[in-house]
Amino acid sequence: GESVGLHLPTLSVQEGDNSIINCAYSNSASDYFIWYKQESGKGPQFIIDIRSNMDKRQGQRVTVLLNKTVKHLSLQIAATQPGDSAVYFCAENEDYKLSFGAGTTVTVRA
Amino acid sequence: NAGVTQTPKFRVLKTGQSMTLLCAQDMNHEYMYWYRQDPGMGLRLIHYSVGEGTTAKGEVPDGYNVSRLKKQNFLLGLESAAPSQTSVYFCASSYLGGRVEQFFGPGTRLTVL
Repeated sequence: GESVGLHLPTLSVQEGDNSIINCAYSNSASDYFIWYKQESGKGPQFIIDIRSNMDKRQGQRVTVLLNKTVKHLSLQIAATQPGDSAVYFCAENEDYKLSFGAGTTVTVRA
Repeated sequence: NAGVTQTPKFRVLKTGQSMTLLCAQDMNHEYMYWYRQDPGMGLRLIHYSVGEGTTAKGEVPDGYNVSRLKKQNFLLGLESAAPSQTSVYFCASSYLGGRVEQFFGPGTRLTVL
């Protein structure tokens, strides 16, 4: 089936700067999207999600943007901190399941 | 609440051996999932369950079997382990399938020699 992918496998960010992680999806029927954070040696943790009837959703220091016209999803992290270093995955729904992209590794420089 | 737990955390097998990975959740979730994660790749779905007594194949089901005899437990079995099954295995659960957050366990790191 169709799958979700991330544009860049790695991202290096200066502490305090904003981070933007991009994701492209190909299944126009998907109506739910989600971002996870995975720290080394741990399971994925939920960050934020968005449904297809929304363009933007904000959480604590994070914002997800959805552009259905070009099938693009992005995660913005404000004032990036060392604790934000992790692998970030986007996923889209397929029936009862989620389809995950390959992930972007974010490294925060001090 | 413990959330999603997995046992064991680590295991080393020899080729041809069998084992069962146990996933337990205490959130009364209907849906449960088994994924594998390999270096540089995302999470790939092995099998899933939409309720007690049900199972279904995911993206990479070959070489694995599952059972969901109790709502809170989802077992993943390897009947004859192969080196290609060396991976980190994650279990997840959710209350509403693919339209809400899935809660993940801490993972099981399996090495097959």
